[in-house]
Amino acid sequence: DAGITQSPRHKVTETGTPVTLRCHQTENHRYMYWYRQDPGHGLRLIHYSYGVKDTDKGEVSDGYSVSRSKTEDFLLTLESATSSQTSVYFCAISAGSNQPQHFGDGTRLSIL
Amino acid sequence: AQSVTQLGSHVSVSEGALVLLRCNYSSSVPPYLFWYVQYPNQGLQLLLKYTSAATLVKGINDFEAEFKKSETSFHLTKPSAHMSDAAEYFCAVSETGDDKIIFGKGTRLHILP
Repeated sequence: DAGITQSPRHKVTETGTPVTLRCHQTENHRYMYWYRQDPGHGLRLIHYSYGVKDTDKGEVSDGYSVSRSKTEDFLLTLESATSSQTSVYFCAISAGSNQPQHFGDGTRLSIL
Repeated sequence: AQSVTQLGSHVSVSEGALVLLRCNYSSSVPPYLFWYVQYPNQGLQLLLKYTSAATLVKGINDFEAEFKKSETSFHLTKPSAHMSDAAEYFCAVSETGDDKIIFGKGTRLHILP
């Protein structure tokens, strides 16, 4: 299995608070991705990174920011969490364009 | 822009019966195609991938998929379903040179005893 660790695995927080989710990889892969998974919507890309300090938006990026200061870590931040951001968040990594993505076990985030 | 349509959000088959999960894609250039499986409370795992080397692709756990360009399809099959195959399955497409993969909405497979 690809070495991907997401933390925390579960989090409950209140509306308006900042939240940061961490993805850590040990594969030295160039690409890292953040998705959210919601019933009826499948997986939707939030942001992705194609190298250190190189990031781009996905289809549902509003309300989220990311940072990648080193190859192995990709952080997802909700600056001011809203109830609509309650979801399961997955990190994925890939060695390159058109290569399969390998997923972490997810973070279940509940915003009350 | 590429897209993926999975026909049927839920599919039920009897144990031992053929599994057929349908996927149609849209892409303006030769695509890369993937099938993933997700078990409860886990991340997605790669089942198989099509990268133009062969139209019939074999994956793990006896799953296979056939790329049909004329039908823009990449259906997933397994000859004989096992109870352990109960999971959600996602088809995905990536266009040549694209950094991103687009996922379908998923099909939940139920296995009846």
